[in-house]
Parts: sequence; structure tokens; C-alpha cells
Amino acid sequence: EVQLVESGGGLVQPGGSLRLSCAASGFTFSSYWMHWVRQAPVKGLVWVSRINSDGSSTMYADSVKGRFTISRDNAKSTLYLQMNSLRAEDTAVYYCVRDPAPANWFDPWGQGTLVTVSS
Amino acid sequence: EIVLTQSPGTLSLSPGERATLSCRASQSVGSIYLAWYQQKPGQAPRLLIYGASSRATGIPDRFSGSGSGTDFTLTISRLEPEDFAVFYCQQYGSSPPTFGQGTKLEIK
Repeated sequence: EVQLVESGGGLVQPGGSLRLSCAASGFTFSSYWMHWVRQAPVKGLVWVSRINSDGSSTMYADSVKGRFTISRDNAKSTLYLQMNSLRAEDTAVYYCVRDPAPANWFDPWGQGTLVTVSS
Repeated sequence: EIVLTQSPGTLSLSPGERATLSCRASQSVGSIYLAWYQQKPGQAPRLLIYGASSRATGIPDRFSGSGSGTDFTLTISRLEPEDFAVFYCQQYGSSPPTFGQGTKLEIK
């Protein structure tokens, strides 16, 4: 069974940093592009970042460019999101998602990890 | 970036009825670069449709997708009690990938 399990969320002050992890299992992690998608409380879905299968290419939403860094460790089947200079508007549930194609559509989704940026 | 507008915002129907959800793009996303997701309260979204009309693995055939260019539709032929949720469309024909704001399907 394909599983994506996020961790690392929590409460952080504005300007602070947090690193999210996503442990993948049930598939050959190193063969797939991976993404982070976020959802602010009672809001819609917003794509955050993408990394290709070997980690050599990344893309970011304009809202996080220069502050967030996506990376992966294929030996550990783990995806990361390093988040720096956090703002209140970064408060959201962050989902780790697999890109089956690759083509920027998403299946499956992890259960999500909540990041709250507040003083 | 491409803006997706979903309508209606809320759809109130009864089990057994047919549901038709619309997704309109601000510019063409191509013929097939559109996906649909279902999200139930407290859960992560689940892929229903990709390529505008291809059902994801395990999705019942009462769910169908259609459309191309700027206008897409998700149809649920006969609503089951477990179908009531929020539905999102997503385009991947242009970067960045973007989502619609969602349609809430509620029990009437």
C-alpha cells in the first residue's frame, strides 16, 4: 500500500523556521516527482513546491520562493520542506503528495501536518 | 497563472440524484490537463479524475469527468451518502498548477 506520512509541524513564531518531513513507503520513491500542497484553515488548496525524481530540479510558488526549500533523500525514501522566515499567512496544513505521471497532478496525498505561525 | 472558478459554491441534493459540478479556467488548460479531487471533513483530498475524464484507481463509475479547453464538468450520476464532500478541480496544463476554490456538495 502506498503511504505518505508527514511530520514536523507545530507552532512557530513569525520569522522562525521549521522542517517538515514526509516518509514514503509502498512504492519506488526514487522514481517519482514529489510535491508539497498546503491548505490554510477553512480555505482551499494551494500548490507550494515540486522536486523531480533525482532532486536535480525544483520549483516553488511565488509566495514561498526564497524562503522555502524542498529536498529529498531517496536512500531514506523521505521528502523534506525547510521553511524559513515564516509568516502568519504560512499557517496551514501541509500535504506531501506524489506525482504519478510526472505532470503535476497528485495521487496519493499524505494525511497532512499542521503548521501554525503565531506569536 | 491560470485561475479556476468552480460553480456552484454549494450544491444541495438528495441521495439518488444527479450532481453536476462546473470548473471554468481563465485561459485554456488544454484538452486533458484537468483533475478533480474529493475532500471529506478532517481528511486529505483524494484523486477522482485525471486527464479530464480518466477515473483514478478504485473510483466508482458513477463519477465521470468531461470537458476541454476552459470548461470542465464533474458528474456524479446517482449520489450515495458517502459522496457528500467538497470537490476541487485542478489544472496542470500550465505552471504553477492551480486549484479551484471548491464546491461543497451537501445533503438536502
